[in-house]
Amino acid sequence: DAGITQSPRHKVTETGTPVTLRCHQTENHRYMYWYRQDPGHGLRLIHYSYGVKDTDKGEVSDGYSVSRSKTEDFLLTLESATSSQTSVYFCAISDGRTGNTEAFFGQGTRLTVV
Amino acid sequence: RKEVEQDPGPFNVPEGATVAFNCTYSNSASQSFFWYRQDCRKEPKLLMSVYSSGNEDGRFTAQLNRASQYISLLIRDSKLSDSATYLCVVVLSGNTPLVFGKGTRLSVIA
Repeated sequence: DAGITQSPRHKVTETGTPVTLRCHQTENHRYMYWYRQDPGHGLRLIHYSYGVKDTDKGEVSDGYSVSRSKTEDFLLTLESATSSQTSVYFCAISDGRTGNTEAFFGQGTRLTVV
Repeated sequence: RKEVEQDPGPFNVPEGATVAFNCTYSNSASQSFFWYRQDCRKEPKLLMSVYSSGNEDGRFTAQLNRASQYISLLIRDSKLSDSATYLCVVVLSGNTPLVFGKGTRLSVIA
């Protein structure tokens, strides 16, 4: 299995509080992604990174920010958590080279905002 | 129109059956195509890539029709262990994120 870990695995937080999820990889892959998965919506891209300090928005980026200060870590921050951000969050990594775009996923973080 | 659309499912099939999933994508410039499998409460994992010439891996066959912007996955001789959600995935280029369909749930029944 690819070396990718997410922390925490489960979290319950209150509305209005900031929350940071961490994704750590040991594969030295260039690309890292944050997706959320909700019933009826599938996996939707929040933000992604194509290198250290290089990030871009996905289709559901409102209310989220990210940072990547080193290759192995990609942080997702919910600036002020809302109940609509209750979801399962998956981090993924990929090499990104032409012909090698397979993505490997972390085990997910189950976040509940009450 | 959604970028990637899949059969809604769920598909409930008996063991040994053959089942086919379909997927359409909207961007004709898309370059890479995959099928991922996701078990309940687990992360998605790559099942197989989809090549223009079609490809087979054991009981699984994937096909791509670029003219119709259509991808398919055929599972022969279904096993109980095939029960999962199957996700169609499209990539515009090597430098762009994966775009997922909503997935099709398969239940294989004894």
